[in-house]
Amino acid sequence: DQQVKQNSPSLSVQEGRISILNCDYTNSMFDYFLWYKKYPAEGPTFLISISSIKDKNEDGRFTVFLNKSAKHLSLHIVPSQPGDSAVYFCAASARETSGSRLTFGEGTQLTVNP
Amino acid sequence: GAGVSQSPRYKVTKRGQDVALRCDPISGHVSLYWYRQALGQGPEFLTYFNYEAQQDKSGLPNDRFSAERPEGSISTLTIQRTEQRDSAMYRCASSWAPSSGRAATQYFGPGTRLLVL
Repeated sequence: DQQVKQNSPSLSVQEGRISILNCDYTNSMFDYFLWYKKYPAEGPTFLISISSIKDKNEDGRFTVFLNKSAKHLSLHIVPSQPGDSAVYFCAASARETSGSRLTFGEGTQLTVNP
Repeated sequence: GAGVSQSPRYKVTKRGQDVALRCDPISGHVSLYWYRQALGQGPEFLTYFNYEAQQDKSGLPNDRFSAERPEGSISTLTIQRTEQRDSAMYRCASSWAPSSGRAATQYFGPGTRLLVL
């Protein structure tokens, strides 16, 4: 039962353009969502998060959008840079029922071409 | 400041042996989590602690897996009688607080790559 799904295993974008990474979830109890970025041979690094009481959170070039009715969130990177090339994981928690354990998606490999 | 550290970074063992994986969380972080990550997948929850108390071990696959955090800081994940299917990356994460917005953000260590032959 994959409660968090990232349907695109890979995405390729030109430098300077927008990167849009998508994530869908099934558990309606999820109330906190995070994006992590992972470079090879390193652990996942926290990027940005959003609480279910919001529908948008912005941090520099990174914006996360949450559509609760569709159970969908997306990460926008504008403008994309070659250093953004990494695997991006979407994660969610249901703090009322499952505490702060995170459920992750499968990841999307983003490649930003110079 | 130092991040989450894990040791060993790589562990090769023979089937049937016990292994102990260590996690040293960020200083002052209350919560500590263990995840397992298969190749091409996201991390999968195993167990977590608030201080020294194990709050949730529902993700541990079977009773060969156990974890402890006796003094509320360093944690050890032990796998007894290892099997080839235990081969994976084992990741530890810590957070400042168990919940509540940004404080719940988990910071990950580099992981221990376990290979069971």
